[in-house]
Amino acid sequence: QSVLTQPPSVSEVPRQRVIIACSGSSSNIGKNAVNWYQQLPGKPPKLLVYYDDLLASGVSDRFSGSKSGTSASLAISGLQSEDEADYYCASWDDSLNAVVFGGGTKLTVL
Amino acid sequence: QVQLVQSGAEVQKPGSSVKVSCRASGGTFSSSSFIWVRQAPGQGLEYMGRIIPILGRANNAQKFQGRVTITADKSTSTAYMELSSLRSEDSAVYYCAKLSSGYSYAIDIWGQGTKVTVSS
Repeated sequence: QSVLTQPPSVSEVPRQRVIIACSGSSSNIGKNAVNWYQQLPGKPPKLLVYYDDLLASGVSDRFSGSKSGTSASLAISGLQSEDEADYYCASWDDSLNAVVFGGGTKLTVL
Repeated sequence: QVQLVQSGAEVQKPGSSVKVSCRASGGTFSSSSFIWVRQAPGQGLEYMGRIIPILGRANNAQKFQGRVTITADKSTSTAYMELSSLRSEDSAVYYCAKLSSGYSYAIDIWGQGTKVTVSS
């Protein structure tokens, strides 16, 4: 059971936009930055978005992050087949004194 | 740019221990913050703990208290994670990673991962 809640899967057709939601609480997302990672099969995760809405170096501007209260979201526009991956949200949790992750969302580009 | 290179795959028996190393190059090792994250087959990411080498003290996730030991050797720019009393559920890929500077707790650099298999 992950501390942050994400949908297990989302799917969309190429060139469309998809949003992945991430829900937390006042001890994590409500107080601390949200970061998003992309993980391709067999690879380590890669940082996409940090501090809620800042793009990591070299990341396409088709990716964007936002946060409101204890929820956050990652939007991917102009979907491409190469975007098929697992996406994880993460934040620091002040109560657990730990980095907490969402369970991951598998994106399928139809 | 910091690079993290981890030790190779391990096969261990239940009840034993495993120690994974993570050598950093190209950055300021001592003042950086390194964490360990594991990923069981087909599962999500799980935080295990972190260390800032210059401080020398590690903070471990509650779940792993008493079983995990995270250390760092400043002289070789290497971080270590030792997990004891292994059970089959500990079979996973173990990643070392570096937290970015600032207060985002973003993980900006990842090692390649070390596969640990616990099997009798």
